[in-house]
Order: sequence, then structure tokens, then C-alpha cells
Amino acid sequence: KAGVTQTPRYLIKTRGQQVTLSCSPISGHRSVSWYQQTPGQGLQFLFEYFSETQRNKGNFPGRFSGRQFSNSRSEMNVSTLELGDSALYLCASSLDRVGGSPLHFGNGTRLTVT
Amino acid sequence: QKEVEQNSGPLSVPEGAIASLNCTYSDRVSQSFFWYRQYSGKSPELIMSIYSNGDKEDGRFTAQLNKASQYVSLLIRDSQPSDSATYLCAVQTNQAGTALIFGKGTTLSVSS
Repeated sequence: KAGVTQTPRYLIKTRGQQVTLSCSPISGHRSVSWYQQTPGQGLQFLFEYFSETQRNKGNFPGRFSGRQFSNSRSEMNVSTLELGDSALYLCASSLDRVGGSPLHFGNGTRLTVT
Repeated sequence: QKEVEQNSGPLSVPEGAIASLNCTYSDRVSQSFFWYRQYSGKSPELIMSIYSNGDKEDGRFTAQLNKASQYVSLLIRDSQPSDSATYLCAVQTNQAGTALIFGKGTTLSVSS
């Protein structure tokens, strides 16, 4: 079974631009979530989508947004990029099982903002 | 503020030794607990999950959970140089979807 696929792997953007990242979950997984990883803050939760609805949101500004499509694929968008947005962005999918749902991560998108 | 705390390390052990990694969490309603391994430049990889008090063994890995003490640990027996990585403890409340709160990780170095 194919794993979580994220595209692109690397991105270089300039301050003020916007960016869209894409994620295809493991087949059958309906929950998709996004995380930001930086050396200083570690892995931080951005948001989670389930059945095309945002189910949970972390403590990030409104410049960070996302959506999920009917085939469970997800995109996240960051507008008006800032230098501090440089990070590894990880998408994870899950079966959303009652009693505990491990997340399975994609390879990530490395975003550099200059 | 829900928190997950880990000793950042580095934790250095010789090959063949037992590595012990510890994690504490603040939210008492947490129900699911996970250990992820992350090699430098790679994404986190799930290695263990544990949901009830006690020990859970999988090969050379043993996860231990004590909900009363809000404490989770990971033991790695017969440590190998290939185990050198950052180990992330993650906690899930199950009341907020599948969102995980991660510790900042413990760096393990296994010397041959």
C-alpha cells in the first residue's frame, strides 16, 4: 500500500508570496492533518481535516489555511509568507479509529522563505 | 497548555546496551501514546503505540505507560548504531480528533 505522498518536496519562496502544498493520504484514510516542524519549536499541529471538514485547528495565524477534497486529498496554503515560515511541513493521515489513531507521515515539504 | 516533555539529550549508549527514553505529559485526559523515530532529514516514523497501563513489547522495543504518573517510556534493547536518531513522544486525547501533541524529542546516539 502506498504511503502518504506530499508534493513538492522542496520550495523556495520570497517574503510576501503565497504557497500551496499538496498531500495524498494512504488509501482508506479519511483523516489528514498537517504539522510544521522547526528546530526551535519542534513538531507543531496546524490543523486536521476529516470528511472535507476542518475538525481541529492549532494555534497558527489565519495566513495558514487548508482544505480537503472528496477523495481525502488535502492542500494547505500559506499566504503572505514570512521568514519564520521556513520549515518542514508534514502531512499525516490516519484511519481515525476509536480508541487511538496512529498518524502516518509523508516525507514532507521543505519550505524556504527568503 | 497541554505539554509533552522529553529530555533533549543527547543520550549516548554503547552498542548492545539498553537505551531508556522518558516522556511526561500534562493532560490527564490523554488516552493514546506513540513513539516516533526520526532520522536526520527524514520524516517521523511510527515505532510504537500504547493505549493502556503497563508494558507493550515489539521486538527490541518496549513501551511502558503509567497514566497515574502521566509517564511514558521507551526501552530499546540491544541498541544498534542504526538506532541513532531522534525519538519523539506523542500524545493523543482522542477528544480532539487525531491531533498529536509532540515532545521536542530525545536524540539517541549508539556507538559501535
